[in-house]
Order: sequence, then structure tokens, then C-alpha cells
Amino acid sequence: GENVEQHPSTLSVQEGDSAVIKCTYSDSASNYFPWYKQELGKRPQLIIDIRSNVGEKKDQRIAVTLNKTAKHFSLHITETQPEDSAVYFCAASNGWGKLQFGAGTQVVVTP
Amino acid sequence: ETGVTQTPRHLVMGMTNKKSLKCEQHLGHNAMYWYKQSAKKPLELMFVYNFKEQTENNSVPSRFSPECPNSSHLFLHLHTLQPEDSALYLCASSQDEGVNTEAFFGQGTRLTVV
Repeated sequence: GENVEQHPSTLSVQEGDSAVIKCTYSDSASNYFPWYKQELGKRPQLIIDIRSNVGEKKDQRIAVTLNKTAKHFSLHITETQPEDSAVYFCAASNGWGKLQFGAGTQVVVTP
Repeated sequence: ETGVTQTPRHLVMGMTNKKSLKCEQHLGHNAMYWYKQSAKKPLELMFVYNFKEQTENNSVPSRFSPECPNSSHLFLHLHTLQPEDSALYLCASSQDEGVNTEAFFGQGTRLTVV
């Protein structure tokens, strides 16, 4: 089955700096890669997703890149703000809706 | 909040108790999921229901028993649990299991087994 690895497990950045989280996946059939943000005590919520026919997608300060050959994808957050502090999860799916999640990255943005 | 609602939000149960977690979605979705979230571990998929039919049981012990009476409701019946089952249990729904669309999560039930 699919195996998703996520790094780093924790990430501390200064406000205004960029944050990058990387994930690798094992199943070459995976074609959908969402990123979820989970604030303390709250539910995970989708922040951006990318499909295998696209190499990069951007939404304001967040962007995701996908390298199908290397089977890895990354989340980039620019101009980080304190409200970006949360746990971020990457996930992969092979087209049958079942998401395989990474272990999560705790992002702390310090003023 | 509307969308996906889980009850109760917190549950403490003994190892000999029987309890049930409830999930309800008002999004018109056809697929519903149970995930387990333990500290420092990935979200683990437990069960998948699509159009009320169970399509995935991810090697979950039989002390966890799901029930999906209709596409809007999902239950997780618990009996004779172990302390290591303590975790946050998240319900999610999506348009259809066979289509890669956004999964919406509930707030979760924080379960403590004593």
C-alpha cells in the first residue's frame, strides 16, 4: 500500500521567513496530493491540493510543487505569520478517495 | 459549525465499557471515513463507507465496530478497548470514494480509555 513520509516533524521560523515541508510517497499510482492544516484543538482543513497532471500550484502565500519522477511533493509558505502556526499534514491518494497521511509537521512562527 | 459534526467531543471509558461515537454530515456526500489520530503518528485510516457500504477495513481490531445506516450518519461502536486505543477519532466525508475531492473532517472525539 501507499506510504507517505513527511519531514521535518517540527519547524520553527521567524515571522516573515519562508517555511518548506517535504513529503515522499511510494505508490506511483497516486495522483492526488492534498495538504491539511490542523490548528490546536481544531479539525484538519484542506489548504491546497495538487493533482498529478500539474507540477506546481499557488494560492496567495502558499504553493505546492510535485515531482512525479522522484515521487515527492512540497508545501511552501512565504511571508509566514503567527496564524500560520499549526500542524500541517500531507497526504496522497491513488484515485479511490482513501487518503494516506504523513506524520505531520508542527510549524511554529515566532514574532 | 455545520458540515461534519461528531459527538461526543470527549469520552472517558473503562476497558469493560461499551460506548458509541457518532458522526453526522450535512454536505450531501456519499463517502464517510473513520480516522484515528495518535500523538506523533500519521492519521490512520480505519474504515471507509461509500453509499452506506463498507469498502475498507484497514486491519482494525474487532473491538471497533462501524455502522453506517445511511450516507449522512456514521457510528463507531467501542467495546473492551485497551489504554493504547486512547486517541482522537476523526470522522470525515467526501463526495464519493472513487473521486479525488476534498475530505471534510469533523472536530473529533477525544477518547481516553482507563
